[in-house]
Amino acid sequence: DTEVTQTPKHLVMGMTNKKSLKCEQHMGHRAMYWYKQKAKKPPELMFVYSYEKLSINESVPSRFSPECPNSSLLNLHLHALQPEDSALYLCASSQAAGAPYEQYFGPGTRLTVT
Amino acid sequence: AQTVTQSQPEMSVQEAETVTLSCTYDTSESDYYLFWYKQPPSRQMILVIRQEAYKQQNATENRFSVNFQKAAKSFSLKISDSQLGDAAMYFCAYRSSDTGNQFYFGTGTSLTVIP
Repeated sequence: DTEVTQTPKHLVMGMTNKKSLKCEQHMGHRAMYWYKQKAKKPPELMFVYSYEKLSINESVPSRFSPECPNSSLLNLHLHALQPEDSALYLCASSQAAGAPYEQYFGPGTRLTVT
Repeated sequence: AQTVTQSQPEMSVQEAETVTLSCTYDTSESDYYLFWYKQPPSRQMILVIRQEAYKQQNATENRFSVNFQKAAKSFSLKISDSQLGDAAMYFCAYRSSDTGNQFYFGTGTSLTVIP
């Protein structure tokens, strides 16, 4: 199974709402990632979890709050977002060490902030 | 941080022809991993091909092959017998073997396949 799943597929939220994005993988990967992607642009790294600990935070605003409850799950909690936060949010996973070295991506959550 | 450069924002190819997408990277490391990812419109990002820097042999996956020039820090992707389904954004990516869990992406090349 080389699948990363993400829910929901689409999300529309107002600037005062609180919502969460969810990501799950069952490949035994111990590194998990959140990216933000705008149209026709590369993914921008937001957070990396390695062995369920936050290892990289790319100076993301505090209105984005990641959580890694266990080795298979990754959440992104959203609060008081701005319209410019509208984007595709991608989750990915990889081995934290050793082969294979590539990332596997989920299909993404298309977020619209109104 | 490592930088990955894709100098061709857009490319087009006739169906059944061959196209080469360019990627260069900047690193002081000797061991690392390189990847090409494909993202079709409104679809999932998938791995096309990978190359370990310690391997001299260029990677090949069916119609996709790379030209890896370690000294020149170049990693181009050749797509042979192009098909309509090859139309997508293509991203080159780099992963260090030391700092491990961070991937660096190029800016992408949008490939159009002309029937």
